[in-house]
Order: sequence, then structure tokens, then C-alpha cells
Amino acid sequence: DAGVTQSPTHLIKTRGQQVTLRCSPKSGHDTVSWYQQALGQGPQFIFQYYEEEERQRGNFPDRFSGHQFPNYSSELNVNALLLGDSALYLCASSRTWDTQYFGPGTRLTVL
Amino acid sequence: GDSVTQMEGPVTLSEEAFLTINCTYTATGYPSLFWYVQYPGEGLQLLLKATKADDKGSNKGFEATYRKETTSFHLEKGSVQVSDSAVYFCALSDQDGANSKLTFGKGITLSVRP
Repeated sequence: DAGVTQSPTHLIKTRGQQVTLRCSPKSGHDTVSWYQQALGQGPQFIFQYYEEEERQRGNFPDRFSGHQFPNYSSELNVNALLLGDSALYLCASSRTWDTQYFGPGTRLTVL
Repeated sequence: GDSVTQMEGPVTLSEEAFLTINCTYTATGYPSLFWYVQYPGEGLQLLLKATKADDKGSNKGFEATYRKETTSFHLEKGSVQVSDSAVYFCALSDQDGANSKLTFGKGITLSVRP
């Protein structure tokens, strides 16, 4: 049983560019959450998707948007990248309200 | 809002030493509590959880008890190993209706020397 997978593993972008990160949830999971983890900090909640709708959102600007597909996979999009967006982006999947399981993350570097 | 406070780190221990990592929380509802572990260069792995007061979560020799009266969820292990070296995060999920986001503490780095 494959766990949560994310792609790409690493990404380097320049300021002002746009980026798309992808996540495939664990089999049987219908809910996907995204977190941003800055260096040396705990993960911060970005948003959560369920039934292809954004169910809850953290304190992140509109530059951060997402999507969930009918197969429950998800994308995180960040527009107009800033240096401060450099972080590890973590995807977590769960069955509705159950425990969240995390993927390995995508390391985004903005130059 | 919800918050999680972890003791300041880093923590360095010798192999076979006793480990305690403190965690306290603030939440409006009745949260579930979690410990996640992050090994170098990896994502987060669930270590253990507890969903109601007085529950004890345990896994791989680690334990934590949900103490509602002191709003705490301290992590303990009787004898640490070098392989336990990692960053440990305490987190809560305040499941209000359909919402179940995780709120994390800042994490603490544990180094175990042989």
C-alpha cells in the first residue's frame, strides 16, 4: 500500500514565478491538507480539500491556491513567488476527520 | 486560537538515557493530540496519538498521556537509542465540525550520542 506521494522532490524558482506542487493521497483517503514548513519551524496549515472543495484555510494569502481532483489527488499553486515562500511543502491525507499521514514533502527554493 | 507550546531545545542525551519532552496546549474544544517525528531530510511520521482525556498513546517505546487538567501531552521514553535522533513535533487537531487542521509546536531536536 503506497503512502502519500509528492512531486517534485525539489524545485528551484525565481521571484515572481509560479509553481505547482502535486500530491497523491494514501489509498482510501479522501481528504488532503497542505502545510508549509519553514526551516527550523513547525508546519503551518495552508488549506484542506475534501470532495474537491476547499474546506478550511489557514492564514495564507490568495497567492496560494489549490485544487482537488475526482481521484482525490491535489495540487498546490503559488503565484508571484517571494523569497519567503522558500520552504518544505508537506501534503497530508486522511479519511475525513481521521489521523493525517504526511508525504515526504517538496523542497521549494526561491532565488 | 489553538496553540501548542513545546519545551526549548535542542536536547542531547546519551544512549539508554530517559527522555521527557514537554508539550502543553491551548484549545477551545476537545482536541486530539499527536506526536510526529521528522528524520533528517524526510517528511513527518506519526509517532503516537490520543483522542480523549486520560488516553495513553504508545509506539516504539514512546508514550504520552493526554492530561486535560494540566493541558499537557508530554512525550517519554525509558531508554533512548541513537536511531531516535530526530525532530519531534507535538500537535493538536481541534475537530470542529468538518474541520480538522493540525496545529503544531515549533519542534525540538533530539540528538542521542553512543
